[in-house]
Amino acid sequence: EPEVTQTPSHQVTQMGQEVILRCVPISNHLYFYWYRQILGQKVEFLVSFYNNEISEKSEIFDDQFSVERPDGSNFTLKIRSTKLEDSAMYFCASGVNGVPETQYFGPGTRLLVL
Amino acid sequence: SQQGEEDPQALSIQEGENATMNCSYKTSINNLQWYRQNSGRGLVHLILIRSNEREKHSGRLRVTLDTSKKSSSLLITASRAADTASYFCATVQGAQKLVFGQGTRLTINP
Repeated sequence: EPEVTQTPSHQVTQMGQEVILRCVPISNHLYFYWYRQILGQKVEFLVSFYNNEISEKSEIFDDQFSVERPDGSNFTLKIRSTKLEDSAMYFCASGVNGVPETQYFGPGTRLLVL
Repeated sequence: SQQGEEDPQALSIQEGENATMNCSYKTSINNLQWYRQNSGRGLVHLILIRSNEREKHSGRLRVTLDTSKKSSSLLITASRAADTASYFCATVQGAQKLVFGQGTRLTINP
């Protein structure tokens, strides 16, 4: 069964450094999402992406964040200058038709900012 | 106010018993979903119930929805050790974003 994959599974970085989290969505999916989960807290929506542009973003998704689909298979989340509070699990999701209930989640990348 | 608040926050039962988790939400919905998350892993979609449905079954899972009370429950029957996980309800806000609750941490003791 096709699945969403994410790399790396874990990343440790220093505060102020840039990180890029990578996702490979399911191949025929057209809608892409990033969510994050701070340890012990709920999963929070960050951004949705369709047709090479952001379709919706949350207040968390400020200028430090950007997303890109650099080729036909990858979907990336970049954090330009990481803060301690960016430490979280980041989940990528993809969907075939933009209806939220059809989002398929990846296993997540655990980001630790020191 | 928060969408999708689950209770209890933690539940520990013996294998074979039934586990019931509840979720409340604030705004009107078209559907409500339940997800499972094994420790340190991604979210797995379990079941979706639409606003015009009152009950739905999938294997050992039974979900109810009461739109008048803005609440849903997830029942896992005949629990197994492998059911140990966190369970989240989620509703849709806006066009595409899923809004999750805090989750219930379920522990099944052998």
